[in-house]
Amino acid sequence: AQKITQTQPGMFVQEKEAVTLDCTYDTSDPSYGLFWYKQPSSGEMIFLIYQGSYDQQNATEGRYSLNFQKARKSANLVISASQLGDSAMYFCAMREVQTGANNLFFGTGTRLTVIP
Amino acid sequence: DTEVTQTPKHLVMGMTNKKSLKCEQHMGHRAMYWYKQKAKKPPELMFVYSYEKLSINESVPSRFSPECPNSSLLNLHLHALQPEDSALYLCASSRGLGSSYNEQFFGPGTRLTVL
Repeated sequence: AQKITQTQPGMFVQEKEAVTLDCTYDTSDPSYGLFWYKQPSSGEMIFLIYQGSYDQQNATEGRYSLNFQKARKSANLVISASQLGDSAMYFCAMREVQTGANNLFFGTGTRLTVIP
Repeated sequence: DTEVTQTPKHLVMGMTNKKSLKCEQHMGHRAMYWYKQKAKKPPELMFVYSYEKLSINESVPSRFSPECPNSSLLNLHLHALQPEDSALYLCASSRGLGSSYNEQFFGPGTRLTVL
């Protein structure tokens, strides 16, 4: 089974509007971390935001917020006030703690295009 | 310094060549990683080093040989590669292993083409 599922291969958003990128995950580990990364065409993976499985509040980092619904196993990324520079590939990823490994399981990504 | 650097940015090599990819970080991180990313796919973990010792080898062919000379450097030695090994190779580092929050900082990657 896929550990991370991103069902939106591509998304379009008007500049200055908000957009939600979907991510669902599958784990039996009670302790895990969820990450969102941005990958522009240059290739570098840029860390955006983190949510821990025991965190009570949704994470926020500037224009990025994570809508964490633990019971639904979803961790959607919300980008407010989109900018042209937000056009990129976005990956959701998860790390499980009890496996002892440090693997990041990545989803297949969502390509976001911001329209002027 | 919150940067992971990788050299070279681009590499073209023949199937009989031997080349090396280099990765460096000066954040005091004790875990370093190599990922392979094919076009339009997510990164796939290849190797993990923790405290300069190989911690994870995700069944990578022996034509890829990692090396961690010290806590700041990570190399990937390439020999007798195949055209299907052409990909973006990403290096990452993190403070360590074992907790859910171990943000991985990624380098810009090396785009490898095998002819």
